[in-house]
Amino acid sequence: GQNIDQPTEMTATEGAIVQINCTYQTSGFNGLFWYQQHAGEAPTFLSYNVLDGLEEKGRFSSFLSRSKGYSYLLLKELQMKDSASYLCAYLNAGNNRKLIWGLGTSLGVNP
Amino acid sequence: DTEVTQTPKHLVMGMTNKKSLKCEQHMGHRAMYWYKQKAKKPPELMFVYSYEKLSINESVPSRFSPECPNSSLLNLHLHALQPEDSALYLCASSQGDRGLSPLHFGNGTRLTVT
Repeated sequence: GQNIDQPTEMTATEGAIVQINCTYQTSGFNGLFWYQQHAGEAPTFLSYNVLDGLEEKGRFSSFLSRSKGYSYLLLKELQMKDSASYLCAYLNAGNNRKLIWGLGTSLGVNP
Repeated sequence: DTEVTQTPKHLVMGMTNKKSLKCEQHMGHRAMYWYKQKAKKPPELMFVYSYEKLSINESVPSRFSPECPNSSLLNLHLHALQPEDSALYLCASSQGDRGLSPLHFGNGTRLTVT
């Protein structure tokens, strides 16, 4: 099967740290992406993990554990502009290399 | 600013109309995509073009007809749509065609079918 789960909604306070989790179950895995999507706008690429471990990009970091089928996106020093939907998606291995998307986590940042 | 440009930004069409959505990228990307996105849902893949050839059609109804005139352009021709086809239509491109490259999305065309 192709299952991927992430929380529907999260809220956090400006300046804080928030972790958005994503779990997946698949027999063929070829990497995991995180995208950010502000309301009414297009998704924008944040990170890609194919090997286990932490990838850091400024205030955003992404972690992957392939054995556990688990990833998280860590946002530090939250800003109001970080209020958006965060989508995780894994790349399905095989001939049809398509992204399998989670439903997205809507993050609200409060002052 | 997005490097993938989509026109028009908004489109309202009747069920008997024929219209086209256009997408352009000048990043030299070899794969181009059409996605459909409903409110509070993730993007749903429709078509993939790889090196100007259709490589994936996700069993999309024939009232949606994609076209890739050259490596920079991607069109989506619409005919006899249904109200449930109302959605945000996103074009995307990627450097490679194996799925390992990030997608660069355009800002989308918000389509309303009346």
